[in-house]
Amino acid sequence: QSALTQPASVSGSPGQSITISCTGTSSDVGYYNSVSWYQQHPGKAPKVMIYDVVNRPSGVSTRFSGSKSGNTASLTISGLQAEDEADYYCTSFTGSDTLPYVFGTGTKVTVL
Amino acid sequence: QVQLVESGGGVVQPGRSLRLSCAASGFTFSRYAMHWVRQAPGKGLEWVAVISYDGTYKYYTDSVKGRFTISRDNSENTVYLQVNSLRAEDTAVYYCAITGTTYYFDYWGQGSLVTVSP
Repeated sequence: QSALTQPASVSGSPGQSITISCTGTSSDVGYYNSVSWYQQHPGKAPKVMIYDVVNRPSGVSTRFSGSKSGNTASLTISGLQAEDEADYYCTSFTGSDTLPYVFGTGTKVTVL
Repeated sequence: QVQLVESGGGVVQPGRSLRLSCAASGFTFSRYAMHWVRQAPGKGLEWVAVISYDGTYKYYTDSVKGRFTISRDNSENTVYLQVNSLRAEDTAVYYCAITGTTYYFDYWGQGSLVTVSP
C-alpha cells in the first residue's frame, strides 16, 4: 500500500483560502470515511485538525474544513494566518492488518 | 489532560537494540489501542505498530516485522516498543499516539529520537 499523494507545497497570502488535496485509492480514502488531517510545526508533534473527513476536534479553528470526493480528500484553510504555516499530513484508515493507517506524503504550507 | 511521554531513544550502532517507552496519563489507558508512528529526519510520518487495548492484537508495518515488538503494561499505563536489529533507515523520531472511539490519532507524545549510526 503506497502513501497517499499530497502536493509538496501550497502557499497563500494572509486572508486567502488554500486547499490541500490527498489522493488515495478505492481501498482507503475512497472506501472509508476515516480521513484525518494533522498539522505539524517544526520540532513539534502532529496535532489533529480534521477527523472522519469533515469533523473538527474541540478547539480547532472553524477556518479549517475537510471534504472528500471519490478517492481524493481535501483540507481547506480559510482566512489564512501566519500561524497556519506548517506541514500538513492526511491519513486514512485502510482496514488492513498489516497497514491499518496510511499517511500522506505531506504538504508544506507557506504564508506569503 | 491527556499526556503521552516517550523515553528511551538515543544513539545506537547498527544491529543493536533499544526499548522505547511511552507513559500515559489523563485517560483510562486500558481502554484504548496504542500506536507507534515514526518520522525520519526531514521526511513524512510512517505508521509503525499498534497494540489493542488489552494487548491481544498486535500489528506491524512490513519493514519492522520480526525486528520490532510492541507491548503494554496496563497496570503501569505504559506502552513499549522493543526495537532490535536496528538499521540506518530506522533513524527517526518515534511518537506514541492513541486512537479513541474512531479511526484517527487523538493525541500524540512529544517523540523520542532514535539515531542509528556506526
